[in-house]
Amino acid sequence: DAGVIQSPRHEVTEMGQEVTLRCKPISGHDYLFWYRQTMMRGLELLIYFNNNVPIDDSGMPEDRFSAKMPNASFSTLKIQPSEPRDSAVYFCASSKTGLNSPLHFGNGTRLTVT
Amino acid sequence: GNSVTQMEGPVTLSEEAFLTINCTYTATGYPSLFWYVQYPGEGLQLLLKATKADDKGSNKGFEATYRKETTSFHLEKGSVQVSDSAVYFCALSTPKARQLTFGSGTQLTVLP
Repeated sequence: DAGVIQSPRHEVTEMGQEVTLRCKPISGHDYLFWYRQTMMRGLELLIYFNNNVPIDDSGMPEDRFSAKMPNASFSTLKIQPSEPRDSAVYFCASSKTGLNSPLHFGNGTRLTVT
Repeated sequence: GNSVTQMEGPVTLSEEAFLTINCTYTATGYPSLFWYVQYPGEGLQLLLKATKADDKGSNKGFEATYRKETTSFHLEKGSVQVSDSAVYFCALSTPKARQLTFGSGTQLTVLP
């Protein structure tokens, strides 16, 4: 089992640029979650999908953020345009049956916006 | 709403010391309770869980007991190792919740 795979591990970009983060969930997992982690705000749920359909995007900070899941094995989180306050570690996680089953996290993408 | 309050860190212990990290919660409905651990440079991973009152979750020498009367789920380990150095997160979910509620995390450092 390869686990949840995220890419890139690190991303450094300039303010105003578009950033795309990628995630491959564990095969057979029906739920996919995007989290953001900062020192100030801790872990925040941005959006989650069930069977590739977005269920709750109330955590997405603003319209600059968008997420897609075109198929069961791939998801993207896009920030356009990026701002310095978006600097954080972004985690993707998947689970088999939702919130009461263990979440399997990827190793995260550390985003720095200068 | 749901909330989780964790013991403030950081916590520094010597190897073989006893560990307790306090966690209390408020929940709408009957929660399931979790402890996740995050090692440096990695994502969170489930350490243990309990789904009903008086259940004890255990894994890798860590234990936590679901105490409904005190709304607590304290994490304990009898003898910590340097390799236990990590950030520990208490979390809960309820049947109607649309997300896991995480505590703020407790940084543990174990010195040799």
